[in-house]
Amino acid sequence: KNQVEQSPQSLIILEGKNCTLQCNYTVSPFSNLRWYKQDTGRGPVSLTIMTFSENTKSNGRYTATLDADTKQSSLHITASQLSDSASYICVVSPFENAGNMLTFGGGTRLMVKP
Amino acid sequence: NAGVMQNPRHLVRRRGQEARLRCSPMKGHSHVYWYRQLPEEGLKFMVYLQKENIIDESGMPKERFSAEFPKEGPSILRIQQVVRGDSAAYFCASSPGQGTLHFGNGTRLTVT
Repeated sequence: KNQVEQSPQSLIILEGKNCTLQCNYTVSPFSNLRWYKQDTGRGPVSLTIMTFSENTKSNGRYTATLDADTKQSSLHITASQLSDSASYICVVSPFENAGNMLTFGGGTRLMVKP
Repeated sequence: NAGVMQNPRHLVRRRGQEARLRCSPMKGHSHVYWYRQLPEEGLKFMVYLQKENIIDESGMPKERFSAEFPKEGPSILRIQQVVRGDSAAYFCASSPGQGTLHFGNGTRLTVT
């Protein structure tokens, strides 16, 4: 069964600190992995997308890594800001453009405190 | 260029009533997906539509739920005779066929 597990479930950090969120998946086949940010009461917004051959992808203060051999990904947030408070969702797709076959993780709820 | 628009944002229905959720995809997008998000759970795929066609409805309950995406107008997710277990956030996403999915801000359905 395809699964995406994220850890931790929730995290509280102080503004300016770094943090790393984890994602383990058992989806097969594998096409790509996305990290989304979901603010409270809003829809998910894509942060990064990585395919099988990519190890690292950055988007500003967000850096995602992918180890396709161990089926693990991480999202590192540098110099956190209050606006980073949100849920971060790892999503794995078995094929390109397969919005009907995505497996979503349960998310990590991040709270950044001043 | 407006994003994916969903309305209403919040919907309260009594058990047994009907709920209609609307989704207008981004301009130029002909592919629409509906997902359901229960509290503390990940999004779950419900149905995939292209204009006037249901491509994949494998994630949608067989009874009470239906979806359409007419030639003109928004996509509609319809839930008949709602029950408390239908309370959730319903998200619509659209794409042009290839590329990133763009999500709306969801409709939060509460069944009392």
